[in-house]
Amino acid sequence: GAVVSQHPSRVICKSGTSVKIECRSLDFQATTMFWYRQFPKQSLMLMATSNEGSKATYEQGVEKDKFLINHASLTLSTLTVTSAHPEDSSFYICSASGQGVSTDTQYFGPGTRLTVL
Amino acid sequence: AQSVAQPEDQVNVAEGNPLTVKCTYSVSGNPYLFWYVQYPNRGLQFLLKYITGDNLVKGSYGFEAEFNKSQTSFHLKKPSALVSDSALYFCAVSGDNTDKLIFGTGTRLQVFP
Repeated sequence: GAVVSQHPSRVICKSGTSVKIECRSLDFQATTMFWYRQFPKQSLMLMATSNEGSKATYEQGVEKDKFLINHASLTLSTLTVTSAHPEDSSFYICSASGQGVSTDTQYFGPGTRLTVL
Repeated sequence: AQSVAQPEDQVNVAEGNPLTVKCTYSVSGNPYLFWYVQYPNRGLQFLLKYITGDNLVKGSYGFEAEFNKSQTSFHLKKPSALVSDSALYFCAVSGDNTDKLIFGTGTRLQVFP
């Protein structure tokens, strides 16, 4: 139980384009989803928290117009990196918590490696 | 403010020997403590957590951790290390009134055959 998937696992795009990353909870209802960014050999940095049907809450310093988060259903959240630039290249990881699993535990997806050329 | 410290960037241990990965924390209120493991180019896998109750928590793959309130520590342990345990380990904490996790900087565990 408590499986979270992400798609795609790896994406390469040109500077200026937008990229959408999907995060799905496969066997539970994710009332809350989290998006993290991880730089090489560094820890995870929380970008935003989203509750199903509500607007995401962004951490300080994270541009909400650049990183669009949608949590339209209890099993799907998307992160869209708009007008991506090379400095947006990173490993993006989502996590979820919710109903049918331990509500106080976040379960993580496998991550998406974004490379912007 | 919540914080987590993992004082060791890397821990080296021989296969079959016991291992300890250290974690200390700072949080207002009661801490919710977690250990996660990350393999290369993968997301984080949940190992174990302490919310309340017995200070010794047992988790996946034979790992355990001991909550020590006086020392504000939550060290991860395993009695006998395996080469396959080699990975990056993260300690994380959240507090009473938030579900946000604050992560430590991670400790790379290297188990040598």
